[in-house]
This record gives sequence, C-alpha cells and structure tokens, in this order.
Amino acid sequence: AQSVSQHNHHVILSEAASLELGCNYSYGGTVNLFWYVQYPGQHLQLLLKYFSGDPLVKGIKGFEAEFIKSKFSFNLRKPSVQWSDTAEYFCAVNALNTDKLIFGTGTRLQVFP
Amino acid sequence: GAVVSQHPSWVICKSGTSVKIECRSLDFQATTMFWYRQFPKQSLMLMATSNEGSKATYEQGVEKDKFLINHASLTLSTLTVTSAHPEDSSFYICSARDMANEKLFFGSGTQLSVL
Repeated sequence: AQSVSQHNHHVILSEAASLELGCNYSYGGTVNLFWYVQYPGQHLQLLLKYFSGDPLVKGIKGFEAEFIKSKFSFNLRKPSVQWSDTAEYFCAVNALNTDKLIFGTGTRLQVFP
Repeated sequence: GAVVSQHPSWVICKSGTSVKIECRSLDFQATTMFWYRQFPKQSLMLMATSNEGSKATYEQGVEKDKFLINHASLTLSTLTVTSAHPEDSSFYICSARDMANEKLFFGSGTQLSVL
C-alpha cells in the first residue's frame, strides 16, 4: 500500500532561517507529488506540485521542492522563512492510476520573529 | 480562487444521533468530491470518493452504512454520520475536483464532537 512519511513533526525556526521539510513515499510506480499548507484557522491550500519534467518545482511564497526519484523523496525547502509561514505542512502522493491523495501526518512549523 | 464551502465548521451532538455535513463548490462544478477524516496529530485519511449521480466508493475499513454520502448535484456532496458514537469524534474535511481544470480544492473542515 502507498504511504507517505513526514519525519519532522514539529519544527521551530527563527525568521530568516532556512527550512527543509522531509517527505518520503512508498510506491513503486509513477506518482504525482504535492505539498499543501494549512495556515491557522484556514483550509488546506496547494503550495506546489510535481507531475513530470524538471524535478525542482517552484511554488508560491518562495517555496520549492525537489523530487528525487531514487530516494522516493519530495522535500520542501525555503531559503529564508517568515513569521507568516507558521502553519501545518502536508506532503501528499497520488498514484497515476488512482484518484486518491495519500497524505503524510503533517509538519507543524513555528517561526518566531 | 475557487472556493469549497463546508458546513458546519463544528458540531456537538449526543451519542446515537445523526449529523449531516455539507460540502459545496461555490464557483465551479465537481463530479468528484472526496471525504477525509483527521484524528489529532495524525494524517488525513481518505474515507470515500463521492461521485455525482452514482454511489460513493468507500475505502477499506470505512462503514458505508454509518457514513452515508450523497452527491446529488455537481456542486454539493453531503456526509451523514449516522448513530454517532464518541469514537466518531474527529475532524472531517472534504475536497472537490474542478471539472474544468482537474484542480483540487479543500473545504475548511468540520470538527465533530460526539458526547
């Protein structure tokens, strides 16, 4: 069965620090990969997605993620975080032959000024 | 951007009663909607895929007679938790796929507490 692992459950950073959130998935076939963000009191929003092509994907608000097929990873990065990036971040996988998103357990990011 | 409205945002009910949660796509049509539940500090778990005009497809381990899903129009899917028990207390989230561009949008979720 497909699964998604997010190893960082809670990350605390100061503003301007660099961020990298890990995401690994288990599925042998072709997948689509997503990062979603949920700001406090708001609904899930798409940050970025990878379907094919350049494995380095750029999303909104300065976020990017790199798909490394050999490592089954899709880590999220941002060179310099802001207080407004405080949120819950979810990695998700969708196998090409299904319509379902499988989510990781989420990473809570707190950024202090 | 596209909006998915989920109502109510929170509900408290007595054990044994039924609760209906609505998921509406406000400015797009969705033949497919998804229902998830999330326990504290756990991942969103897909419960079922709701297809307009046909029966929902339930994930393994999800009781279809307990979690009734109706997708009667291209903009509305409902999840009814029947004979709710305290273990049904959870955060329920819907998502809807825009027919026009296949993009997925999420509702804001419903916190259900069963006493």
